[in-house]
Amino acid sequence: DAKTTQPNSMESNEEEPVHLPCNHSTISGTDYIHWYRQLPSQGPEYVIHGLTSNVNNRMASLAIAEDRKSSTLILHRATLRDAAVYYCILRDGSLGRSNFGNEKLTFGTGTRLTIIP
Amino acid sequence: DSGVTQTPKHLITATGQRVTLRCSPRSGDLSVYWYQQSLDQGLQFLIQYYNGEERAKGNILERFSAQQFPDLHSELNLSSLELGDSALYFCASSEGTGDLHGYTFGSGTRLTVV
Repeated sequence: DAKTTQPNSMESNEEEPVHLPCNHSTISGTDYIHWYRQLPSQGPEYVIHGLTSNVNNRMASLAIAEDRKSSTLILHRATLRDAAVYYCILRDGSLGRSNFGNEKLTFGTGTRLTIIP
Repeated sequence: DSGVTQTPKHLITATGQRVTLRCSPRSGDLSVYWYQQSLDQGLQFLIQYYNGEERAKGNILERFSAQQFPDLHSELNLSSLELGDSALYFCASSEGTGDLHGYTFGSGTRLTVV
């Protein structure tokens, strides 16, 4: 699996936008970029994912660099409930027998986001 | 409620014992994944089933086994338990590749081995 690099921790003020960076310089053309977050004492929660184009949903936006070697998860207005560990994960989306079993997500250490009231 | 149901939520058992963790995937999802999260290891992938068949294997110990039944629910069996097996065990499901609506995780089973 291609690797991602994220800062260990970040802080942000409540009600301000948060930009969480992720570097993935060895990304392949078929790798999807997934973001998950894990709130304390809960299971991971899907946030957003994309392949090439920027994506928006009700939770966040995903900005993908043109060369796809980095991406940024954007929380438009952070609340205290957004305090969590955020994971950036690459998942091989290629099909075929040689990629059998590549659907799993491989979690790294993520970024611990602290929201300051 | 994420749609993925894990039971039990908490389990306390003694070393050497055997336990079974159960997972019901989100309706319509064919893939089930099991993960282990301990304090010092982070989220570790154990095993994946797709429509009843084993699809991928991670760092799963030989003392652990899993299966997915025709109704798509899955069970993770942990035997000859050791203190180090104490962890949170998460189940996740997806429609297949997880590229339609992502992967949905359950709230986990906290296993304590004493």
